[in-house]
Amino acid sequence: EDQVTQSPEALRLQEGESSSLNCSYTVSGLRGLFWYRQDPGKGPEFLFTLYSAGEEKEKERLKATLTKKESFLHITAPKPEDSATYLCAVQTFGADSNYQLIWGAGTKLIIKP
Amino acid sequence: EAQVTQNPRYLITVTGKKLTVTCSQNMNHEYMSWYRQDPGLGLRQIYYSMNVEVTDKGDVPEGYKVSRKEKRNFPLILESPSPNQTSLYFCASSRRRESIGNEQFFGPGTRLTVL
Repeated sequence: EDQVTQSPEALRLQEGESSSLNCSYTVSGLRGLFWYRQDPGKGPEFLFTLYSAGEEKEKERLKATLTKKESFLHITAPKPEDSATYLCAVQTFGADSNYQLIWGAGTKLIIKP
Repeated sequence: EAQVTQNPRYLITVTGKKLTVTCSQNMNHEYMSWYRQDPGLGLRQIYYSMNVEVTDKGDVPEGYKVSRKEKRNFPLILESPSPNQTSLYFCASSRRRESIGNEQFFGPGTRLTVL
């Protein structure tokens, strides 16, 4: 069964303390892996797309990387405004599920000033 | 401003009382869908629509109905809500089904409580 697991469930960091969030996946064929940010009271907002192992994308203090089994979202010198829940989603190949997304439960990131 | 709007944002109702959550997008997107988000679980798709008058079931369609009479609107209907439908609901849209990974816009969410 296709599955996406994010860890940890929650992460508390001090401002400036770098760390990584993990998204591991077990799918029959990867079409793409996506990272989203979700702020309280809002819908998810798209951050990155990764298509193949070895690929990396960066945006400000965030960098997403991809291997054959997992993706990492690295946060360098985070600020309080980076506090949010980060969601990972995987799009798979398949006769009926070519365009469906499988979502992880998210990692809630809290950055303390 | 490009956006997806949902109404109401918060709703408390009782078991069996029919309700409708509206969703509208102003981006002329073909593809729209409804998700529910529950603690500890990933977003789960309820229904989706690839265009006007074309709708199909997602992963958790039981107890829900949808319609797509106009391109911009995609209401979610709970004909007889039950407590297990208490959840946070999101409407989303994208240009095409193929681009739901990186071009999907979400509404602000509707928090529904069924007593």
